[in-house]
Amino acid sequence: QTVVTQEPSFSVSPGGTVTLNCGLSSGSVSSGNYPSWYQKTPGRAPRPLMFSTNTRSSGVPDRFYGSILGNKAALTITGAQADDEADYYCVLFMGGGTWMFGGGTKLTVL
Amino acid sequence: EVQLVESGGGLVQPGGSLRLSCAASGFSISNYWMTWVRQAPGKGLEWVANIKGDGSQKYYVESVKGQFTISRDNAKNSLFLQMNSLRAEDTAVYHCARWITGATYGLDVWGQGTSVTVSS
Repeated sequence: QTVVTQEPSFSVSPGGTVTLNCGLSSGSVSSGNYPSWYQKTPGRAPRPLMFSTNTRSSGVPDRFYGSILGNKAALTITGAQADDEADYYCVLFMGGGTWMFGGGTKLTVL
Repeated sequence: EVQLVESGGGLVQPGGSLRLSCAASGFSISNYWMTWVRQAPGKGLEWVANIKGDGSQKYYVESVKGQFTISRDNAKNSLFLQMNSLRAEDTAVYHCARWITGATYGLDVWGQGTSVTVSS
């Protein structure tokens, strides 16, 4: 079964730029997978960041942007801040009406 | 204010059943696909099930097919998840969420979640 892949962890310096990736264990991610991204911190509901590759959710600053890079979906964060430290999840449309989240990337800002 | 509030979680023995509810306010769920997403302790988010606005289409992750049933009552502006034959691996916080569809796809409104613990 094809699964959605994400880097388990990433670190970025305050003010720095980081790109988180969302791929498929078999095949390439395209706009037809409608990749979306969510930020999750303990005890809180997931916060929507990006829909359908590159449409920001309401209130999300433009230092967050989404794209397709090569064969993966990507979420780039520029000017990283301490409160960006969180788990980041992508979810992809897998066909047949089903969706799948990636395993998440734990982002550390230090 | 657009809001989703889950309820119905709790402690249940293996093999037992629970029915989760998700009450929506600030919008009419009849216009939206709705979903359940869960997060087991120390694990990532997992998409569980989707249901179309009129209830005519339902989709499930393979691991819960035949075990969970998603439903909705648009008149009561509520979403449900009937969970039967519960196993330890179903222990998780269960979130309901709203899909935006059409030009863009994504889960734009989330509830805080309700906790389900399956244990003897």
